[in-house]
Amino acid sequence: NAGVTQTPKFRILKIGQSMTLQCTQDMNHNYMYWYRQDPGMGLKLIYYSVGAGITDKGEVPNGYNVSRSTTEDFPLRLELAAPSQTSVYFCASSSGRETEAFFGQGTRLTVV
Amino acid sequence: AQTVTQSQPEMSVQEAETVTLSCTYDTSENNYYLFWYKQPPSRQMILVIRQEAYKQQNATENRFSVNFQKAAKSFSLKISDSQLGDTAMYFCAFMKPGGGQNFVFGPGTRLSVLP
Repeated sequence: NAGVTQTPKFRILKIGQSMTLQCTQDMNHNYMYWYRQDPGMGLKLIYYSVGAGITDKGEVPNGYNVSRSTTEDFPLRLELAAPSQTSVYFCASSSGRETEAFFGQGTRLTVV
Repeated sequence: AQTVTQSQPEMSVQEAETVTLSCTYDTSENNYYLFWYKQPPSRQMILVIRQEAYKQQNATENRFSVNFQKAAKSFSLKISDSQLGDTAMYFCAFMKPGGGQNFVFGPGTRLSVLP
């Protein structure tokens, strides 16, 4: 059982470049989340989805976009990378409203 | 909006000793869920323990237990018989029914278990 899988694990981007962080889960969870974790800080919610075709903004959505065309996949898109987006990104999923989230292993992104 | 506070940025404990990590939260909700997550150096987020606000009994998972004080909005984590593998960041998290953006994390406490 793979759980939540994120790719890539590490990436270096130049300012202005674009990239997509991939996230897929094989647990048939409806809820999926994208968080960022800055050094020494907790997790801040970027975007979330409560099901295929439905997405909504979290606390820090600027500079990011998401889509949810299938239950399994929830990619995060950075259109014009900026140094402020240097962070560790976590994807998570949960089966319902009151259940804990299962996390991927994170993507360490550096924008130079 | 809900907020979660962890007032201890760093803590250390001797192996085999007991340590308590503090967490307080702010909410006007009556029903909600609280979690402690562990993040070891591998970066993986691992659920340690979960508590439903409507349950008066404190949750326990082996060496991990919580002291849930609903009126005080406090949710501390006690680790007994600390092991070297407990060295990690610990995050307290709050979830209001409905999930989504109502899943909020504290800033974390870095715990070091010393041999």
